[in-house]
Amino acid sequence: NAGVTQTPKFQVLKTGQSMTLQCAQDMNHNSMYWYRQDPGMGLRLIYYSASEGTTDKGEVPNGYNVSRLNKREFSLRLESAAPSQTSVYFCASSESGSGNTIYFGEGSWLTVV
Amino acid sequence: AQSVTQLGSHVSVSEGALVLLRCNYSSSVPPYLFWYVQYPNQGLQLLLKYTSAATLVKGINGFEAEFKKSETSFHLTKPSAHMSDAAEYFCAVSPSGFQKLVFGTGTRLLVSP
Repeated sequence: NAGVTQTPKFQVLKTGQSMTLQCAQDMNHNSMYWYRQDPGMGLRLIYYSASEGTTDKGEVPNGYNVSRLNKREFSLRLESAAPSQTSVYFCASSESGSGNTIYFGEGSWLTVV
Repeated sequence: AQSVTQLGSHVSVSEGALVLLRCNYSSSVPPYLFWYVQYPNQGLQLLLKYTSAATLVKGINGFEAEFKKSETSFHLTKPSAHMSDAAEYFCAVSPSGFQKLVFGTGTRLLVSP
């Protein structure tokens, strides 16, 4: 049971480098999300995609871009990484509609030096 | 804006003791409420959720939570802690009509022998 799969699991970047975090889900969910987790701050929503072909900003979108490639895949891109983007990133997915369970991937640990 | 407050960043209990993790929400409309658990270096797993059916919600691993509208609370309890319950617990709110989850800052549960 794969669920939500993220790659890479660990990455170290230099300031100014770019990279893309990949995410795929095999549950046929319409909605997908990217969150970041920082100590003492819980999880904060970066971007979400309510359905294929749509994306919307969350609470902390600055410095990020996303692509909903198809129904299964939702990628997060850092165009010019900054130390403030050192964090753990979680991709998630859910059925459409409020109140549905959101399922999370295992996380991607990103360090920007 | 919807929000949740988790009282206590750390809670310590002895094995076999009652677990009580506090969560208060802020919402102008009836919300959906969730508790997630995160074990070290893993993603988030749903413990239980309130979706306006029964006010007492039972979840996995013996946890339960009670929705109290008058107190705007959704505290998580377990009668008898087990060593395997040591983890970080997140309360989250999803406003009615919206899919996005807004998370609290988390409570780390420590269980001593």
